[in-house]
Amino acid sequence: GAVVSQHPSWVICKSGTSVKIECRSLDFQATTMFWYRQFPKQSLMLMATSNEGSKATYEQGVEKDKFLINHASLTLSTLTVTSAHPEDSSFYICSARPRYLGTGELFFGEGSRLTVL
Amino acid sequence: AQSVTQLGSHVSVSEGALVLLRCNYSSSVPPYLFWYVQYPNQGLQLLLKYTSAATLVKGINGFEAEFKKSETSFHLTKPSAHMSDAAEYFCAVSEGTGFQKLVFGTGTRLLVSP
Repeated sequence: GAVVSQHPSWVICKSGTSVKIECRSLDFQATTMFWYRQFPKQSLMLMATSNEGSKATYEQGVEKDKFLINHASLTLSTLTVTSAHPEDSSFYICSARPRYLGTGELFFGEGSRLTVL
Repeated sequence: AQSVTQLGSHVSVSEGALVLLRCNYSSSVPPYLFWYVQYPNQGLQLLLKYTSAATLVKGINGFEAEFKKSETSFHLTKPSAHMSDAAEYFCAVSEGTGFQKLVFGTGTRLLVSP
């Protein structure tokens, strides 16, 4: 089946530093990847949609300069949290849509828990 | 715009009892509907999906859901709960084909007691 891997699965950083999270589709090509943020005991909030080779589309209220998204290849998208602060602590989940499927099905990574001290 | 409403943030059942998790959707076009399960500190795993074929959809782990257009519902059921079913369940809707994004409900936490 389609596998999406995120790295790191958890990270702790100091306030003011930047953190990069990778999302890889291991056995399929993904022209579109999505980044979600999930607060404790809440649903997933879509942050941005990333298309290979083009700029990401951010949802309303998400700071694009704060959350840098790069989708340089058909199997890799990265989310960089710049100048992280404690309020950025959250569970970040990516998902990828195989280019050969039109059903809307997404495959999700395991998530990355970010803790900013 | 599409939306999903999950009734009940928590549902508690006894092991062996029927599981019923409710989901109602709103969509201006025929929807694609999904149920995902999330275990603590993990990503989401697809349980089942409705993509305009059979209205009764069977998924993994004994779960199934029925699409009812007249009620705009897509409730998730399982005849007999198992302790391992305890998790967070999310209903989601996607409009049409192509690269449409998923919109998730707020989730329902299923608690299973012995």
